[in-house]
Amino acid sequence: QMQLVQSGPEVKKPGTSVKVSCKASGFTFTSSAMQWVRQARGQRLEWIGWIVVGSGNTNYAQKFQERVTITRDMSTSTAYMELSSLRSEDTAVYYCAATPVVPAAISVWGQGTLVTVSS
Amino acid sequence: SYVLTQPPSVSVAPGQTARITCGGNNIGSKSVHWYQQKPGQAPVLVVYDDSDRPSGIPERFSGSNSGNTATLTISRVEAGDEADYYCQVWDSSSDHSYVFGTGTKVTVL
Repeated sequence: QMQLVQSGPEVKKPGTSVKVSCKASGFTFTSSAMQWVRQARGQRLEWIGWIVVGSGNTNYAQKFQERVTITRDMSTSTAYMELSSLRSEDTAVYYCAATPVVPAAISVWGQGTLVTVSS
Repeated sequence: SYVLTQPPSVSVAPGQTARITCGGNNIGSKSVHWYQQKPGQAPVLVVYDDSDRPSGIPERFSGSNSGNTATLTISRVEAGDEADYYCQVWDSSSDHSYVFGTGTKVTVL
């Protein structure tokens, strides 16, 4: 079945960067778009951006435009989300997700990766 | 940027109907998706494109969208429906981004 498996929890210092991975299986990775969404404790879901796997085209939320990079490795069916200049407000669970096209409802989600930013 | 507003909480007795609203400017012109999220879990899509259900989602979940309000209706509520629910749209007007609602906690009494 369609599955997304994310990398493990991270603890980072303010000002540094984090890179979260998301390995896909059970569907045609190259025909999908990979999304990234985050959720701080007790807060709403917040969309970060996407990458259309086949073309490599990306689209980022304005809020993260300057600090986020989403990439993919088609040879390993893995997507990556790197967020730089981390601050305490970036502490959240980061989810990857997959859609067949963009934009579209998100029906496949990863299990989430907790990123903690603390000095 | 586009804003989606939901009531913070809805309480409902088992077997009754829960209605969760999602307010946005002319939201009726957009496709609305709804997600259910239980504590410590990733969201699950329960309704997409206003009123369609993914396979495996019970018919008790239905959606509608008109004017400035979209609604998720859960009929014959069960204890297992207790969760947070989020609406979502694609904002193609200014930010070109997904927007999520503020979220509604459904409590089954």
